[in-house]
Amino acid sequence: DAKTTQPTSMDCAEGRAANLPCNHSTISGNEYVYWYRQIHSQGPQYIIHGLKNNETNEMASLIITEDRKSSTLILPHATLRDTAVYYCIVRADSWGKLQFGAGTQVVVTP
Amino acid sequence: GAVVSQHPSWVICKSGTSVKIECRSLDFQATTMFWYRQFPKQSLMLMATSNEGSKATYEQGVEKDKFLINHASLTLSTLTVTSAHPEDSSFYICSALPAAGGFSGANVLTFGAGSRLTVL
Repeated sequence: DAKTTQPTSMDCAEGRAANLPCNHSTISGNEYVYWYRQIHSQGPQYIIHGLKNNETNEMASLIITEDRKSSTLILPHATLRDTAVYYCIVRADSWGKLQFGAGTQVVVTP
Repeated sequence: GAVVSQHPSWVICKSGTSVKIECRSLDFQATTMFWYRQFPKQSLMLMATSNEGSKATYEQGVEKDKFLINHASLTLSTLTVTSAHPEDSSFYICSALPAAGGFSGANVLTFGAGSRLTVL
């Protein structure tokens, strides 16, 4: 699986949008971009995933660049409960496992 | 949505004893489950892939005789930490891949809440 690069940490004000970048310059054509988050002492929670097109669900939006070498996770209105470590992972088609990197520690402040 | 349950949530045991952790997919069948370990302030590390009805596949550096994995049904995988020692104290997390989606990259993995093991 392609490796990803994320900022170590980010702060965000409550109520504002949080834009989390991820670089995956060696991504292959059959690799999906996945985002999970982990709140302290809990298991990872699925947020969103995409292959080529931008995606949106009730939690977030995923913007993937045309060359697919980077992506941005957008939390539209951050709340205190969004404080967590956010992991960007690329995962090959035809294989289930996920390899986690260091992620981005996001702290939402009042 | 898909739910994965782990039991126990936390366990304390004496050094030298064995501990079993269960991972169940509650509302879907999972032919494949994955076990991870996480030490404090570190990321998740994949330990092994558990396949229903067959032997688990372990990641490099993980002792298969130390961490016994059994996937006896489409909804249950177990991880047994044998002869546990203090250095085995960690947060163990499982995830399950819905059988219906196969190994497609679009098939979403669901994670359990984790099991915290403390070995005294």
